[in-house]
Amino acid sequence: GENVEQHPSTLSVQEGDSAVIKCTYSDSASNYFPWYKQELGKRPQLIIDIRSNVGEKKDQRIAVTLNKTAKHFSLHITETQPEDSAVYFCAASRIVNTGNQFYFGTGTSLTVIP
Amino acid sequence: EAGVAQSPRYKIIEKRQSVAFWCNPISGHATLYWYQQILGQGPKLLIQFQNNGVVDDSQLPKDRFSAERLKGVDSTLKIQPAKLEDSAVYLCASSLVHGKNTEAFFGQGTRLTVV
Repeated sequence: GENVEQHPSTLSVQEGDSAVIKCTYSDSASNYFPWYKQELGKRPQLIIDIRSNVGEKKDQRIAVTLNKTAKHFSLHITETQPEDSAVYFCAASRIVNTGNQFYFGTGTSLTVIP
Repeated sequence: EAGVAQSPRYKIIEKRQSVAFWCNPISGHATLYWYQQILGQGPKLLIQFQNNGVVDDSQLPKDRFSAERLKGVDSTLKIQPAKLEDSAVYLCASSLVHGKNTEAFFGQGTRLTVV
């Protein structure tokens, strides 16, 4: 099965700085890579995703890059704000004949220091 | 649109007792997932349904966990008997269309504490 590794497990940055979270995956058949943000006591919510036919995607202060050859993808948050503080999960997904299967990383706890 | 609904939000039980969680996915979502999220870890898939059929239950501890989705809509997850290590948040998620890359929408989760 798929194995997703995520680093770092904790990350502290000063407000306004950038944050980068990296993930690797093992199954070359994985072709969809969502990122979820989970605030304390709340449900994980999708913040950005990328498909395997795209190398980079950006949405305002958030960007994701994908290197299929190396099987790694990264989340980049620029101009961080205190409300970006949360746990971020990467996931790798592949289509099987009856639906997507999602495999999650272990999470990165991001703290943005005002 | 209404999100994924789960109940209860919190549950405290003694070890060896049984417990059941309920999930109502987003209307029209054929795929339903149950995840276990232990504190400090990422969600771990327990079981995946496509309509009322099981797609993957390879990580479900079948000696104590069971799940069903009889009419292809709501689902229940049961633990019997519970162990201390079952303490976790149980997340239900659903997604829209099989055969395509679509996001999974999560419920608020049920926080289970086994004492």
